[in-house]
Amino acid sequence: GAVVSQHPSRVICKSGTSVKIECRSLDFQATTMFWYRQFPKQSLMLMATSNEGSKATYEQGVEKDKFLINHASLTLSTLTVTSAHPEDSSFYICSTDVGPGEAFFGQGTRLTVV
Amino acid sequence: LAKTTQPISMDSYEGQEVNITCSHNNIATNDYITWYQQFPSQGPRFIIQGYKTKVTNEVASLFIPADRKSSTLSLPRVSLSDTAVYYCLVGVGNAGNMLTFGGGTRLMVKP
Repeated sequence: GAVVSQHPSRVICKSGTSVKIECRSLDFQATTMFWYRQFPKQSLMLMATSNEGSKATYEQGVEKDKFLINHASLTLSTLTVTSAHPEDSSFYICSTDVGPGEAFFGQGTRLTVV
Repeated sequence: LAKTTQPISMDSYEGQEVNITCSHNNIATNDYITWYQQFPSQGPRFIIQGYKTKVTNEVASLFIPADRKSSTLSLPRVSLSDTAVYYCLVGVGNAGNMLTFGGGTRLMVKP
């Protein structure tokens, strides 16, 4: 089945810096990828939908200027957390859908902002 | 997208069968029912999907009654490694649609 590789798995950054998270579809051309955020003991919350070659669609309440998404190719989408703050510390997960209601998820990235 | 309701948590013991029921009263005609498993600090993993009646794979079974307003994920003979959060999702069947996660069920398997 399709494999989604997410990198890095864990990152610690200083407050005010930016962090880039990569999501690669290894054996599947993904025209659409999704970015989720998950806080401890909570469910996944969709942040944005990334479309290859076009602008991402952000969910209500998600700052598009803070969470920059680039989907320049069919196999790579990136999420950049700009000017990170401690409240941005979370678990970020990407996914790509492969069929009705079915998706493959990346391993997730644990972001800690200190 | 249809909203889902699951028990927040369940406890079981090794070797037992675990059944997790999900309610989705507003399921639409085109919606599939899909279950995912998530271990701590990992992305969710697809377990099983169905539309109606019963589906079985090497990991689990999914039972869906005729009215499709609920579904039950059945895990046979659980082990400690089945301790995870299980999510029931209901959604339309077009690629490119995002998945909306409910609260999930936190399953704890005890020795």
